[in-house]
Amino acid sequence: DVVMTQTPLFLPVTPGQPASISCKSSQSLLKSDGKTYLYWYFHKPGHSPQLLIYEGSSRFSGVPDRFSGSGSGTDFTLKISRVEAEDIGVYYCMQTLHLPYTFGQGTTLDIK
Amino acid sequence: QVTLRESGPALVRPTENLTLTCTFSGFSLDSSGMCVSWIRQSPGKALEWLALIDWADDKYYTTSLKAGLTISKDTSKNQVVLTVTNPDTVDTGTYYCARYHWDTTFFDSWGQGILVTVSS
Repeated sequence: DVVMTQTPLFLPVTPGQPASISCKSSQSLLKSDGKTYLYWYFHKPGHSPQLLIYEGSSRFSGVPDRFSGSGSGTDFTLKISRVEAEDIGVYYCMQTLHLPYTFGQGTTLDIK
Repeated sequence: QVTLRESGPALVRPTENLTLTCTFSGFSLDSSGMCVSWIRQSPGKALEWLALIDWADDKYYTTSLKAGLTISKDTSKNQVVLTVTNPDTVDTGTYYCARYHWDTTFFDSWGQGILVTVSS
C-alpha cells in the first residue's frame, strides 16, 4: 500500500499568519496521463470532510484562495497564506492513483 | 443537489454483522464512471478508506481490515450497502459514504457520517 506521511502532525498558528503542511508519498502519484492523483481534505470536528485541493494544485469550487497546493511526484505541500479561525481542524492528504486508496495521518491546525 | 446519508445501528456486538446503508440523491449510480465509497474514522485516528463500488458493479476494498467487508448497490433504491463481517472493537468509529467518479478521482460530496460502536 502507498504510505502517505504528513508533517507536522500538530500545527499551532497565529491568526493572520501563514501555515504549511507537507505530504510525502511512498510512490509517485504522477500517472502517464499527466495527472497527479493527490488531494487535500479538511475535516472540522462534527462535520464531514470536504475537498480543498485536487490534482495536487487545483482549488475545488468555493475554496478560498488563501489555500494553495503544490508539489509533484512524491512531495506535496498545502499552504494557507493567512490562517483564519474557521481553518481550525484536521487536514489530510490522500492519493487515489494506487488501490487501496490511502490518507495521510492528518495534521491538526490549532490556534496559538 | 447531491446528498448522501448513512444509516444503520449505533451499537453492534462483536458477534453480529454490521450493516450500513448509504442513501443518496442528486446523481445516479447507473451513470458511467459514477462510484460510491465508504470511509471511516476511528476515535483518535485518521480517515481510512474502506471500499468502493462503481456503476459497473466493480468493487474495491482496503487490505488493512481484519474484519471482512462487502459492498453492494441497489440502483433502484439509490442505495449502497456496506457489511462488516465479524467486527471487532477496533471497528468502532464514524462511517462516511462519499461520491466518487472515475474521471475526477476525488470525493466531492460526503454524508454526515454515522457513529457506530462495536462492544459486547
